Amino acid sequence: DAGVIQSPRHEVTEMGQEVTLRCKPISGHDYLFWYRQTMMRGLELLIYFNNNVPIDDSGMPEDRFSAKMPNASFSTLKIQPSEPRDSAVYFCASSSSGTSGRPFFGPGTRLTVL
Amino acid sequence: GQQLNQSPQSMFIQEGEDVSMNCTSSSIFNTWLWYKQDPGEGPVLLIALYKAGELTSNGRLTAQFGITRKDSFLNISASIPSDVGIYFCAGPTLGTGNQFYFGTGTSLTVIP
Repeated sequence: DAGVIQSPRHEVTEMGQEVTLRCKPISGHDYLFWYRQTMMRGLELLIYFNNNVPIDDSGMPEDRFSAKMPNASFSTLKIQPSEPRDSAVYFCASSSSGTSGRPFFGPGTRLTVL
Repeated sequence: GQQLNQSPQSMFIQEGEDVSMNCTSSSIFNTWLWYKQDPGEGPVLLIALYKAGELTSNGRLTAQFGITRKDSFLNISASIPSDVGIYFCAGPTLGTGNQFYFGTGTSLTVIP
């Protein structure tokens, strides 16, 4: 079975541009998480979904960030407008309540905002 | 949000040496997970712990769920070069179900 799939793997954009990160969770998993990793703050939980419904978005840094999960096999994290301080690696992870909720991570998207 | 403190922050060891690292929290956890992250990749689950006092091994790795439920330990025996990476602890705080928080990480360098 394929793992968590993220695209793109690398994204370079200019300040002010809209950025959309995509994630396909593992089939059958009912939880989906978006994390951001930076040297200064480590791995931060931004938002997570259960059965496509956002449960906790308290980690989303500001209104420029939004996340959606229109169906069980797809989620997006959007930044509009992007700023240089948004540069980080963004990970999507999924888990199943049937396997004690252990998150499985995708390979990440490395975002650079110039 | 919740943050877990890991120590040491980094380690430089000779190949063949044993490694110990730990993770502490101010909150009680009902699950402890240990992950390893290779450069340019996402974290990969190594060991999962579900009961206070539990000791679980995965090859040369051994992890323990602390009795107080506020800490966990990871040991690596006879380190090899491919053990290089960043090791993270993680877990959900009591009552938050599947909301997993991650530690600050321990960076391990193994010198051949």
